[in-house]
Amino acid sequence: KAGVTQTPRYLIKTRGQQVTLSCSPISGHRSVSWYQQTPGQGLQFLFEYFSETQRNKGNFPGRFSGRQFSNSRSEMNVSTLELGDSALYLCASSATGGVPEQYFGPGTRLTVT
Amino acid sequence: GIQVEQSPPDLILQEGANSTLRCNFSDSVNNLQWFHQNPWGQLINLFYIPSGTKQNGRLSATTVATERYSLLYISSSQTTDSGVYFCAVDNTGNQFYFGTGTSLTVIP
Repeated sequence: KAGVTQTPRYLIKTRGQQVTLSCSPISGHRSVSWYQQTPGQGLQFLFEYFSETQRNKGNFPGRFSGRQFSNSRSEMNVSTLELGDSALYLCASSATGGVPEQYFGPGTRLTVT
Repeated sequence: GIQVEQSPPDLILQEGANSTLRCNFSDSVNNLQWFHQNPWGQLINLFYIPSGTKQNGRLSATTVATERYSLLYISSSQTTDSGVYFCAVDNTGNQFYFGTGTSLTVIP
């Protein structure tokens, strides 16, 4: 079974631009979560989607948004990029019911200049 | 949210040595996982262990849920074990709280 995939793997953007990151979960997994990793703040939860609905959201400004499609693929969008948004963005998927073990993708490394 | 503390923050070992990494958490949890972050940033699943003990080769883990801690044991360490080890916990079913990690360096 293929793992979680994320595209693109690397991205360079300029302040003020917006960016969209994509995540395809493991086949059959319906829950997708997003995390931001920075050297200063560590790994922080952004949001979680299940069946196209956002079930939980972390403490991030409204510039960070996401959505999930009917095939469970998810996208996150960051508008009006700031230098502090430079980070590794990780996506995780998990099955529903039974063991809620999460599996992470390789991440998207975003650099804002 | 749940507070997660990992110790030690940094660890340097000679190849072949054993080590114990600790994770303390502030509330009851229904999910606890240990991850190894590789140099490219991907989090590799080591154990799903909300309670009890599991072993996988040279690695084993124990979680004592009633006392709110988990331990990750690495035996006969190899240079490929180097990297950052994270403990992550969850009690809602959909949000992980991560510790700050233990950075392990294994020298030949």
